[in-house]
Amino acid sequence: GQQLNQSPQSMFIQEGEDVSMNCTSSSIFNTWLWYKQDPGEGPVLLIALYKAGELTSNGRLTAQFGITRKDSFLNISASIPSDVGIYFCAGRGIQGAQKLVFGQGTRLTINP
Amino acid sequence: NAGVTQTPKFRILKIGQSMTLQCAQDMNHNYMYWYRQDPGMGLKLIYYSVGAGITDKGEVPNGYNVSRSTTEDFPLRLELAAPSQTSVYFCASSPGGDYYGYTFGSGTRLTVV
Repeated sequence: GQQLNQSPQSMFIQEGEDVSMNCTSSSIFNTWLWYKQDPGEGPVLLIALYKAGELTSNGRLTAQFGITRKDSFLNISASIPSDVGIYFCAGRGIQGAQKLVFGQGTRLTINP
Repeated sequence: NAGVTQTPKFRILKIGQSMTLQCAQDMNHNYMYWYRQDPGMGLKLIYYSVGAGITDKGEVPNGYNVSRSTTEDFPLRLELAAPSQTSVYFCASSPGGDYYGYTFGSGTRLTVV
């Protein structure tokens, strides 16, 4: 089946630093989404991307849908303590299919 | 506006016991999903449903069963619990279409001993 490779698996940064993570696949995706999971909670949607090359921002978060449709990245600028959590990429493959494929997650830890 | 509600939040089962994880959504979403999340791993799809009366297997369906008698509810049944089913289980729903992500519940943490 389709798989997403998300990297890095974990990040340890200082407060105020910028963060970058990415997701790649051998398959083409029509939609890319980025979720954040806080401890003890379910994932919450951060950004959704629908077109190849699309660049979308949500506050300090910026995500891009790769031109090849096989990758996406998420950047977080000027990290703050509440950015701590696990970030997941997710992709929707075949048009009309309603199942998302999830990456393994990037665990972000911030040292104040 | 409750969204997706999962119960219970925590449960400890003995090997061989059975239980049902409850999931309800109040957004009138057609699509509902069950995922499991193991430590350091992503989300694996167990079962999903595209509407009342219609269910289908995901990546890891063995040991689980589902039913969808109403739009709102999508319970997940574990028969003969095994230690390999120790995990965090998430239910999610979606209205369908290419422009929507999923709304997740807060999860059920299950330990089988």
